[in-house]
Amino acid sequence: DTGVSQDPRHKITKRGQNVTFRCDPISEHNRLYWYRQTLGQGPEFLTYFQNEAQLEKSRLLSDRFSAERPKGSFSTLEIQRTEQGDSAMYLCASSQEKGFNEQFFGPGTRLTVL
Amino acid sequence: AQSVTQLGSHVSVSEGALVLLRCNYSSSVPPYLFWYVQYPNQGLQLLLKYTTGATLVKGINGFEAEFKKSETSFHLTKPSAHMSDAAEYFCAVTSTGNQFYFGTGTSLTVIP
Repeated sequence: DTGVSQDPRHKITKRGQNVTFRCDPISEHNRLYWYRQTLGQGPEFLTYFQNEAQLEKSRLLSDRFSAERPKGSFSTLEIQRTEQGDSAMYLCASSQEKGFNEQFFGPGTRLTVL
Repeated sequence: AQSVTQLGSHVSVSEGALVLLRCNYSSSVPPYLFWYVQYPNQGLQLLLKYTTGATLVKGINGFEAEFKKSETSFHLTKPSAHMSDAAEYFCAVTSTGNQFYFGTGTSLTVIP
């Protein structure tokens, strides 16, 4: 068990560009979550998957945000036409399906939009 | 709707002193409550959780929290602060186990 990994750890992009982040969950976890964390705030829930099914996406911040988990393993979060307000830390977490299990968090991807 | 309020964005204690980090929740259904710790440049790590059963919950690193329904609180305590406890602490609530609502965090400083 190597924990939840995220790639890249840092991303600097220009406004208007598209960015994609990857999350690799703990291998036996079938739930995967995406959060956004801005400075001085707690993590803000964006979306989650159970296996490959995206069960909640209404909290995605706009239609510029999309997430996929095509084979029920790793997941990607894409932001199209980035804006300066998208600058934040994007966190991924995974958990087992049963009950109120601990979410294991990755180190995050820090996005800076210039 | 659910939410969490953490009173005090910054708390400073002397090494060896009591640590008390406050968390109040709002939930229209029975809540499940969590405390996470975040060290610099690291992911969030679970300290403890309350789901059902005993209202006094013990976690890692000597931390504990008590669920008080009448006060809608889940305050985090540790009898004696250690320098290694300096970090950001987040309280979170969920009713489904899927959507977690986090507080804004409390930064703990431990003074030698």
